[in-house]
Amino acid sequence: AAGVIQSPRHLIKEKRETATLKCYPIPRHDTVYWYQQGPGQDPQFLISFYEKMQSDKGSIPDRFSAQQFSDYHSELNMSSLELGDSALYFCASTPDRGGLLDIQYFGAGTRLSVL
Amino acid sequence: DAKTTQPPSMDCAEGRAANLPCNHSTISGNEYVYWYRQIHSQGPQYIIHGLKNNETNEMASLIITEDRKSSTLILPHATLRDTAVYYCIVRVFTSGTYKYIFGTGTRLKVLA
Repeated sequence: AAGVIQSPRHLIKEKRETATLKCYPIPRHDTVYWYQQGPGQDPQFLISFYEKMQSDKGSIPDRFSAQQFSDYHSELNMSSLELGDSALYFCASTPDRGGLLDIQYFGAGTRLSVL
Repeated sequence: DAKTTQPPSMDCAEGRAANLPCNHSTISGNEYVYWYRQIHSQGPQYIIHGLKNNETNEMASLIITEDRKSSTLILPHATLRDTAVYYCIVRVFTSGTYKYIFGTGTRLKVLA
């Protein structure tokens, strides 16, 4: 079965550079979530989209922005990167937001290292 | 705004049942409890979820107390591959949308 695809899997950037992370949800999933997981930390919710509209924001820095496109894929744009942005970034999608089958399926993640 | 409390770590002998507890005493009536696990740094993997009835699937069983203030995830016959961090999560409805609130997780080590 198709899963959530994230690219790239690994990304190395310098401080103050920009990065773009991509997420391709499972087909027919209309809701996408982004999470950040720092070293030794639990996943922290960043932002979510439903039907291409932002639906909720968590602890996402102003330096980060995201959007969901017409094909439902999503991109997380990160500017002025800081050392503390080094983390795993997960994307998840669900087919039934708020319903009985509301299960978030996670991608394998993008490991961002800021040097 | 943590909604769940879990023990930080547990050990379980291979082949035995692993019982992972979770406290969610502030859960609201329409908030679901979800369990996920994360092996190494892979993406969290869905295990099971429920509202108030006990649930079972091919991976595990979920026992929710009648007052819904706590639950237990049961892995009936733990294997070495079940070694992972297990997250008990409450799905809340806030700001007009649904969101997972992750707890701090239980690091389960299955011992040979």
